Amino acid sequence: EVQLVESGGGLVQPGGSLRLSCSASGFTFSRYAMHWVRQAPGKGLEYVSAINNNGRDTFYADSAKGRFTISRDNSKNTLYLQMTSLRAEDTAVYYCVRDWQGDYWGQGTLVTVSS
Amino acid sequence: EIVLTQSPGTLSLSPGERATLSCRASQSVTSNYLAWYQQKVGQAPRLLIYGASSRATGIPDRFTGSGSGTDFTLTISRLEPEDFAVYYCQQYGSSPITFGQGTRLEIK
Repeated sequence: EVQLVESGGGLVQPGGSLRLSCSASGFTFSRYAMHWVRQAPGKGLEYVSAINNNGRDTFYADSAKGRFTISRDNSKNTLYLQMTSLRAEDTAVYYCVRDWQGDYWGQGTLVTVSS
Repeated sequence: EIVLTQSPGTLSLSPGERATLSCRASQSVTSNYLAWYQQKVGQAPRLLIYGASSRATGIPDRFTGSGSGTDFTLTISRLEPEDFAVYYCQQYGSSPITFGQGTRLEIK
């Protein structure tokens, strides 16, 4: 069974940093591109970042460029999102998503940016 | 960036009726890499359709995706009570990946 479990969310002050992790199981992690998608409270889905299967190619939404870094450790079946210079508008549930068409999603981890 | 516009914003129908949801792209979606998701309150989105018309694993055949280029449609042939949710389209053919703003399907 495919499972994606996010962790690392929480309350952080504006300007702070946070690292999200996504632990994957039930499939060959190294074969799939992975993504982060977020959803602000009561709002729609917003693509954040993507990484190809071997980690060599990364993609970012404009809102994430220069502040967020996506990475992966295929030996640990884990996806990461390092977030810096966090703003109130980054407050959202962050989902880990498998493959370009998003066939599996984690349950999400809530990031709250507030003083 | 490809902008996806979904219509209507809210659709009010009764169980048993047919639902037609639209997703229009600001430019042609590469290789028709267009997906549809269903999201219920408090849950993660679930993939329904990929490649514009391919049903994801376990999705009932009352869900049908169609269209190409810039105009796409999700049709639910006979609404079941569990189908009332928010639906999003997404294009994944061009970077950045983009989502539509969603259509809320509510019980009339």
